[in-house]
Amino acid sequence: QLQLQESGPGLVKPSETLSLTCTVSGGSISNSSYYWGWIRQPPGKGLEWIGSIYYSGSTYYNPSLKSRVTISVDTSKNQFSLKLSSVTAADTAIYYCARGVIMGDWFDPWGQGTLVTVSS
Amino acid sequence: SYELTQPLSVSVALGQTARITCGGNNIGTKNVHWYQQKPGQAPVLVIYRDSNRPSGIPERFSGSNSGNTATLTISRAQAGDEADYYCQVWDSSAVVFGGGTKLTVL
Repeated sequence: QLQLQESGPGLVKPSETLSLTCTVSGGSISNSSYYWGWIRQPPGKGLEWIGSIYYSGSTYYNPSLKSRVTISVDTSKNQFSLKLSSVTAADTAIYYCARGVIMGDWFDPWGQGTLVTVSS
Repeated sequence: SYELTQPLSVSVALGQTARITCGGNNIGTKNVHWYQQKPGQAPVLVIYRDSNRPSGIPERFSGSNSGNTATLTISRAQAGDEADYYCQVWDSSAVVFGGGTKLTVL
């Protein structure tokens, strides 16, 4: 059964870069039937897509975050990563990683999520 | 950018049918997916491609999509169905989520 696990600092200072990693177990990140995504959820609010990466390395980003986001994949470690630069308090959220289905574009499964707080 | 509109809240009596809508311009031409999120948990896919249930999701969950509205229907609502529900589509190389609907089972 495929599982995803987010990891990274739970506290980031304003103006710095948020860095998270998602480790995939129970399946290969190189499977061409899937892609990999990051979604976040500010406390008490709804879901916001951050971006997605395909096994080929192609990326798609939320236009509202595009200038600050980089998503990359490390097939040797079966991991993919998120970097979000110049963070502010508005970036405080639970960050989820998830598997996307090509030719379908739904996410399943999701990681448990990790809370990242932006504060000095 | 494409927008999806959901009611903030829906209430349903125990054992009755709940319907949660997701509105969008010509949404009937897109594939709509639905997620259930219980407090403190990650979202779980309950419907994909408008009306398909992943394995493990009860038959009480169904979906439809036509015109400008997609609908998630939960039959014989149970206390355990109380959660937030989100619709999602893919549009112009971007993933779009609805704002979410809180389902209360009375």
